[in-house]
Parts: sequence; C-alpha cells; structure tokens
Amino acid sequence: EAGVAQSPRYKIIEKRQSVAFWCNPISGHATLYWYQQILGQGPKLLIQFQNNGVVDDSQLPKDRFSAERLKGVDSTLKIQPAKLEDSAVYLCASSSAGISYYNEQFFGPGTRLTVL
Amino acid sequence: GENVEQHPSTLSVQEGDSAVIKCTYSDSASNYFPWYKQELGKRPQLIIDIRSNVGEKKDQRIAVTLNKTAKHFSLHITETQPEDSAVYFCAVTGTASKLTFGTGTRLQVTL
Repeated sequence: EAGVAQSPRYKIIEKRQSVAFWCNPISGHATLYWYQQILGQGPKLLIQFQNNGVVDDSQLPKDRFSAERLKGVDSTLKIQPAKLEDSAVYLCASSSAGISYYNEQFFGPGTRLTVL
Repeated sequence: GENVEQHPSTLSVQEGDSAVIKCTYSDSASNYFPWYKQELGKRPQLIIDIRSNVGEKKDQRIAVTLNKTAKHFSLHITETQPEDSAVYFCAVTGTASKLTFGTGTRLQVTL
C-alpha cells in the first residue's frame, strides 16, 4: 500500500512569512496526526483528527498555527506568521484505529522548515 | 499531561554487544508502549510495541519489557549490528490514542 505523502519536503522562509504543509494519509486511515520535531527532540503532537473532526489540539499554538482536514482525507497545516523557533521537521502520520483503541501510526517523510 | 523520560541520551556499544534503553512514564492509565527507530533524515518507524496486558515481547534480536507497577519499560537489542545505529524513541499512549514521545537515545554501534 502507498505510504503517507507530504509536501513540500523542504521549505525555507523568513520570519513573519506564512507557510503551508500538505499531507495525504494512507487510504482508509481515519486518524491523522501532525507532529513537530525540533532537532534533537522527539516528535511532539500538534493536532489529531478523527475523520474531519479535531480530537486533540491542546499543544497547537493557535495564535499562529492552524490545521484542517476537509472531507476527512487530506490535511493542511499552516503557520502564519512564522517565528524562528518554528524551525523543525513537521511530520504527518495516520492510523487506521479510532480513538478507543490504539494501533500503529505510519509516518510520512516530513517537511523540513527553516525560518531565517 | 503524560511525562515520558528516556535514558540514556546517547549509547555506544561494540558490534555484537547488547544495548538497553529505558523509559519511565507518569500516567498509570497508559496502555500502549511503542518503540520507534529513526535513521538520520528519515521518518520514525515502528520496530516493536507492547500493550499493558503483556509483560514482555520479543521479535528476533529486539525485545521490550514492561513493568506497570513501576511505570517503566525497556528496549533490549541483542547482538547489535552497525545498521542498528540510529535514534530510538519510546512512546506512550493512554486515552484517545495520543502518543507522547520520549526524548530519544542515539545508539552508535562501533565495529
């Protein structure tokens, strides 16, 4: 089966600019996650979708970050305006399980964001 | 929220030796404990996982042990090989399948 797709793979922007990332999960996976992985750290969950509804966005900096998952398939994550500390790899993952039972999360290749 | 501590942060072993990485967690309701391997510049990949109703699980050279009472679990790699060199992350999930990752262990297997 095809894996999780993300684009772009790399993005360089200046602070205060806007940026958007796209994710296409594995076909049929109802749960989609966005993680932020700062260099040298573990991934940190930003937002979790179940179909097109938000399950958890408690760690999403909502003053500058937004995410949507229209039609319960693809998702976009946006940062506006970007700060230097947003430099990180943004990982998208998907899972076939619902929120009541845990199952393996499959990660995409990530988007490496550099904010200058 | 869940707090996951992982030790050591770096680990260097000689080829053929064993490696052990330990994680502790705070939420006693946590029920799923996966381990991910991340090679440089690549995505995290699941290598083994264990559920709260099991104390130990093995898959060839890799094993995971869980002590729910003490709230810690460990990854054991035997007969290490150079291709085992990577960063390893433990993770914990409780309610709503939310994963909290540890801080990572950089494993270096030397010849």
